[in-house]
Amino acid sequence: KAGVTQTPRYLIKTRGQQVTLSCSPISGHRSVSWYQQTPGQGLQFLFEYFSETQRNKGNFPGRFSGRQFSNSRSEMNVSTLELGDSALYLCASSLTPTSGGVVADTQYFGPGTRLTVL
Amino acid sequence: GQQLNQSPQSMFIQEGEDVSMNCTSSSIFNTWLWYKQDPGEGPVLLIALYKAGELTSNGRLTAQFGITRKDSFLNISASIPSDVGIYFCAGPTSGTYKYIFGTGTRLKVLA
Repeated sequence: KAGVTQTPRYLIKTRGQQVTLSCSPISGHRSVSWYQQTPGQGLQFLFEYFSETQRNKGNFPGRFSGRQFSNSRSEMNVSTLELGDSALYLCASSLTPTSGGVVADTQYFGPGTRLTVL
Repeated sequence: GQQLNQSPQSMFIQEGEDVSMNCTSSSIFNTWLWYKQDPGEGPVLLIALYKAGELTSNGRLTAQFGITRKDSFLNISASIPSDVGIYFCAGPTSGTYKYIFGTGTRLKVLA
């Protein structure tokens, strides 16, 4: 079974531009979560989608948005890029989302998209 | 907000040595997960713990869910060079659907 795939793997943009990252979950998985990883802040939750609906959102500005399609594939968009947005963006999929602090299904991570903002 | 603190932050060990690391939370967790991340890759799940006091092994790795539910421990026995990487603990925050991750323990193995 193929793992979580993310495209592109590497991206270089300039300040003020916008970017769209793509994530294809493991076949059959319906929940997709996005994370930002930086050396200073570590792994931080961005948002989670399940059945095309955003179920929760982390503490990120509105410039960060996402969506999920009927085939469970997900995209995240960052508008008006800032230097501080340079990071590894990770996508994780699971069969179902977490619920009330109990893991319903394990999350599996993709390799990430390395975004560099110049 | 909730935080997960891992210690040590980094460690150098000799090949063949055993390694211990831990993760502590300011609040109770119902699940603990341990991940390993290699450079340039996403985290890979090593062990999942679902019950206080639970001890689970995966090859040379053993993890424990602390009785207080506010901590967890990961041990690696007889370390080898490919154990190099960053180890993260993680868990789902209660009342929401999001995970939080620990600060990570960077392991370097000297051959």
